[in-house]
Amino acid sequence: EVQLLESGGGLVQPGGSLRLSCAASGFTFSTYAMSWVRQAPGKGLEWVSTISGGGDGTYYPDSMKGRFTISRDNSKNTLFLQMNSLRADDTAVYFCAKDESTGSYFDSWGQGTLVTVSS
Amino acid sequence: QLVLTQSPSASASLGASVKLTCTLSSGHSSYAIAWHQQQPDKGPRYLMRVNSDGSHSKGDGIPDRFSGSSSGAERYLTISSLQSEDETDYYCQAWATGIRVFGGGTKLTVL
Repeated sequence: EVQLLESGGGLVQPGGSLRLSCAASGFTFSTYAMSWVRQAPGKGLEWVSTISGGGDGTYYPDSMKGRFTISRDNSKNTLFLQMNSLRADDTAVYFCAKDESTGSYFDSWGQGTLVTVSS
Repeated sequence: QLVLTQSPSASASLGASVKLTCTLSSGHSSYAIAWHQQQPDKGPRYLMRVNSDGSHSKGDGIPDRFSGSSSGAERYLTISSLQSEDETDYYCQAWATGIRVFGGGTKLTVL
C-alpha cells in the first residue's frame, strides 16, 4: 500500500523559510516522479512542483519559480520542498503526491501539512 | 495555455445520478484528464483517468457507481446511486510535459 507522510509544516514569519518533507513507502520510490500540491484555506488545489524519479528534472509553474525548490533523496525514500521568502499568500496545506507511472496525473496523495505564514 | 473549467457547484438527490463536467481549453480537446475527490480536511483521492475517446481507468477500490466519459473538449464524471458520503469536492486535473493543471473544483451537494 502506498503511503505518503508529510511533515515540517508550522508557523513561520513573512520572509522566513521552511523545509517540508514527505516520507514515502509501499512502492519503488526512485522510479516515480513526485509532486507537491497546495491548497489555501477555502480554496482549490494548486500545483507547486514536480520532480522526476531520478531527480534530474524539476518543474514549477511560473508563479512558484525562484522561491521554492523541490528535491528528493532516493536512498531515504523522501521528497522535500524548500520554501524561501515566504509570504502570507503561501499559507496553505501542502500535499505530497505520487505521479502515475507515465508522469501524468497524481495517483496517490498524502494527508498534507499546514504551513501558516504570519507575524 | 492549458486551462480546465469546472462549475463551482452541483446538486442531485440521494439515490439519483449526477454528471460533473470539466472543460478543456481551446486547442486541448485531445487531452486526457484525471478526477480526484476530496473529503473535508483530508488529502485528495484519485478516482479515475478519462481519455478523449471516453475510455476511463479507475483507481483501486473506486466503486462501480463512479464512471467517466468524454465529448469533444468536455470530460465527465458520473456518479450514480448517490450516497450522502458523495457530498464533497471534486477536482479535474490535466498535464503536459512539465506542467500539471487543476480545475477550480466542483462542490457536490446531495439533497
